[in-house]
Amino acid sequence: TQLLEQSPQFLSIQEGENLTVYCNSSSVFSSLQWYRQEPGEGPVLLVTVVTGGEVKKLKRLTFQFGDARKDSSLHITAAQPGDTGLYLCAGAGNQFYFGTGTSLTVIP
Amino acid sequence: GAVVSQHPSWVICKSGTSVKIECRSLDFQATTMFWYRQFPKQSLMLMATSNEGSKATYEQGVEKDKFLINHASLTLSTLTVTSAHPEDSSFYICSAASIGRNTGELFFGEGSRLTVL
Repeated sequence: TQLLEQSPQFLSIQEGENLTVYCNSSSVFSSLQWYRQEPGEGPVLLVTVVTGGEVKKLKRLTFQFGDARKDSSLHITAAQPGDTGLYLCAGAGNQFYFGTGTSLTVIP
Repeated sequence: GAVVSQHPSWVICKSGTSVKIECRSLDFQATTMFWYRQFPKQSLMLMATSNEGSKATYEQGVEKDKFLINHASLTLSTLTVTSAHPEDSSFYICSAASIGRNTGELFFGEGSRLTVL
């Protein structure tokens, strides 16, 4: 059973465009993380959100944790080719649950 | 951030041989380590959870006799793929949760690419 559903699964956009990735669940998490993974490497932690309604910004990336702590979104402004990768959300409860993943390709 | 190192980064072996992959937490003690398998452009599939000094907990459908996990210390866990076959070819990743650090954060190794001929 996949507790965390990400959408879209695949996304291909032009450089400079904006995009949003969603991470949804029916379960409540104590915290939620976003990771980016490049081919052949392990995932790298981008951010951890803990409080319902929390918004965190990391340069062109904006992360939001839903008020009920069941869902989250990642918004990228003016995407660049360097943003290309697999984005994973992960919820922490009794254990860690990973989202289904979003593969992003930014075309120069 | 915390550092987790995996070794080897890639390995090619013949069918029927066994391969060991190491996962080390370099600058913290890991109470729990996780092993994942990943197919191209897909999310991580949890294989097992490993706690120091105790037997690993395997996810449904993962053969414990084929994927041997040992967590001998707070800084080292190993995954041994026994009698490897071509269908075992995959990207294997470990992660670690640390004692005393923020809860809800995992630190990942660089991954190990296994190719079985």
